[in-house]
Amino acid sequence: QKEVEQNSGPLSVPEGAIASLNCTYSDRVSQSFFWYRQYSGKSPELIMSIYSNGDKEDGRFTAQLNKASQYVSLLIRDSQPSDSATYLCAVHNTDKLIFGTGTRLQVFP
Amino acid sequence: KAGVTQTPRYLIKTRGQQVTLSCSPISGHRSVSWYQQTPGQGLQFLFEYFSETQRNKGNFPGRFSGRQFSNSRSEMNVSTLELGDSALYLCASSLSLSGQTFTDTQYFGPGTRLTVL
Repeated sequence: QKEVEQNSGPLSVPEGAIASLNCTYSDRVSQSFFWYRQYSGKSPELIMSIYSNGDKEDGRFTAQLNKASQYVSLLIRDSQPSDSATYLCAVHNTDKLIFGTGTRLQVFP
Repeated sequence: KAGVTQTPRYLIKTRGQQVTLSCSPISGHRSVSWYQQTPGQGLQFLFEYFSETQRNKGNFPGRFSGRQFSNSRSEMNVSTLELGDSALYLCASSLSLSGQTFTDTQYFGPGTRLTVL
């Protein structure tokens, strides 16, 4: 079992729809959770960080964390073609930051 | 404020050689982390330096090493290169004001694309 798992996609959604990206992790002692966006040929950039159970909203983005289910998700409302990218989930585990392999999101007009 | 810079941007080496990559963090940032990104394995954590000391280390062989200088600039060295070392090597810097790992936003550099022939 991988430490951080994501569906590789692609996840295709129409412009204006809600995109839902999911991530599960294996280690219950994980402390911090991050979502990064990576455009093709570019470096990752941080979108959201979340540390406690529940929802955290920032503009069109909402991160959701459920530590009991070891599950973290990212919702993108009103998806735009410019949101098309690979989204990486990262989990802080003791002394390491572990990334999932990413979900490719495609938003079509 | 200038972002994270990495040099060189592209590098071609042959098996058995060694390579040194350089990373200059954002001014004022004290923590530098290194990552390897490959299509098959994704983004993997190599190590993190803080105040010239290696604070955390991922699961890579000893051929991968690094160091950090007093001005927070960091270098990563890979000795005895193997074909599987071909990858994009990314460094990321953060303020790390609290001194704790990964609690501050990490800003990634553009990466060094290493090809081993």
